[in-house]
Amino acid sequence: DTGVSQDPRHKITKRGQNVTFRCDPISEHNRLYWYRQTLGQGPEFLTYFQNEAQLEKSRLLSDRFSAERPKGSFSTLEIQRTEQGDSAMYLCASSSIRGPGGYTFGSGTRLTVV
Amino acid sequence: GIQVEQSPPDLILQEGANSTLRCNFSDSVNNLQWFHQNPWGQLINLFYIPSGTKQNGRLSATTVATERYSLLYISSSQTTDSGVYFCAVRGSTLGRLYFGRGTQLTVWP
Repeated sequence: DTGVSQDPRHKITKRGQNVTFRCDPISEHNRLYWYRQTLGQGPEFLTYFQNEAQLEKSRLLSDRFSAERPKGSFSTLEIQRTEQGDSAMYLCASSSIRGPGGYTFGSGTRLTVV
Repeated sequence: GIQVEQSPPDLILQEGANSTLRCNFSDSVNNLQWFHQNPWGQLINLFYIPSGTKQNGRLSATTVATERYSLLYISSSQTTDSGVYFCAVRGSTLGRLYFGRGTQLTVWP
């Protein structure tokens, strides 16, 4: 069990560019979540998958955001036409539908839009 | 959604002191976790505690689900305990966790 991996750790991009982040969950976890955290705030829910099905999306997930989990394993989060307001830490977590139900978070991807 | 309130928002202690962090939530939950966010931003799971009491070394936690609150106790605090502590809960039907705004703990030597 290597934990939840996120790549890249840091991303600096120019406004208007597209960016894509990757998350590899714990292998036996079938639920995967994306959260966004801005300075001084708690993480805010964006979306979650059970296996390859996207079961819930937050209103925070505008039409510039899209997430996929094509084979029920890793997931990608893409932001198109980035804006300065997209600058944040993007966190991925996974959990199992079986067992005690705790969530494990990755180290996050810190996005800076300049 | 579920409202999560944490108190105090900031806490400054000298090394060796004890502290209690509180988390109140607005609805019944089937998952409650306490996390410590390290300086690099990673959320480290401290306790999965939807009810009852657990202890892990100098840390312990108690959740009284019927009264909708949880407490995190830190004893004999150390400088490495500094950081932000988050409480997060999940309701009965949804997959998402709802987070509080955190308690910023600073421990001075």
